[in-house]
Amino acid sequence: EAQVTQNPRYLITVTGKKLTVTCSQNMNHEYMSWYRQDPGLGLRQIYYSMNVEVTDKGDVPEGYKVSRKEKRNFPLILESPSPNQTSLYFCASSLSHGGGTEAFFGQGTRLTVV
Amino acid sequence: DQQVKQNSPSLSVQEGRISILNCDYTNSMFDYFLWYKKYPAEGPTFLISISSIKDKNEDGRFTVFLNKSAKHLSLHIVPSQPGDSAVYFCAASAGADSWGKLQFGAGTQVVVTP
Repeated sequence: EAQVTQNPRYLITVTGKKLTVTCSQNMNHEYMSWYRQDPGLGLRQIYYSMNVEVTDKGDVPEGYKVSRKEKRNFPLILESPSPNQTSLYFCASSLSHGGGTEAFFGQGTRLTVV
Repeated sequence: DQQVKQNSPSLSVQEGRISILNCDYTNSMFDYFLWYKKYPAEGPTFLISISSIKDKNEDGRFTVFLNKSAKHLSLHIVPSQPGDSAVYFCAASAGADSWGKLQFGAGTQVVVTP
């Protein structure tokens, strides 16, 4: 089954404790992204990757890091989480970069930073 | 500043009637528009898209209309069914090199009542 898998689904952590949210896709997609969803703001892109070892900032990259060492995996790293990073996070992948290309989303990771 | 706006946070409609969801945008460089549907505890799933060279695209019960001069698009669902109860996000991308970067609206919660 074609899918994007994120882990964990739920996470509560303390300020400053490094964490990683994993994302894996089995569709051989080149393009992967991370979004955060906040009430009244919709989904905002954090980082994206066009291929292995190629990443770039989205609209809200501050406080986040990513890496793309393998085509299927695109982890999101919070080196020193803060309460304003409490949010619902989605990983997405797509086959190409064309404007109308459908993006496939993971089920989301609900992160709470206290 | 949000470039894609969904000004109605919620919409209630009776089963069998038409649902009309609206979306406005400010960036004239957007050339693809997509609608995503999201159920609770799941990631967004692609619903329908439209290129800026068209003014209408239809897929079963779902039709998207685009008015470029007004920078406005709408999604029509006819007839509405209980399974359509979800949050609907309007999204847009700009240019062939958009690298899968989508700008999302804040979403509209649709509730279909019996």
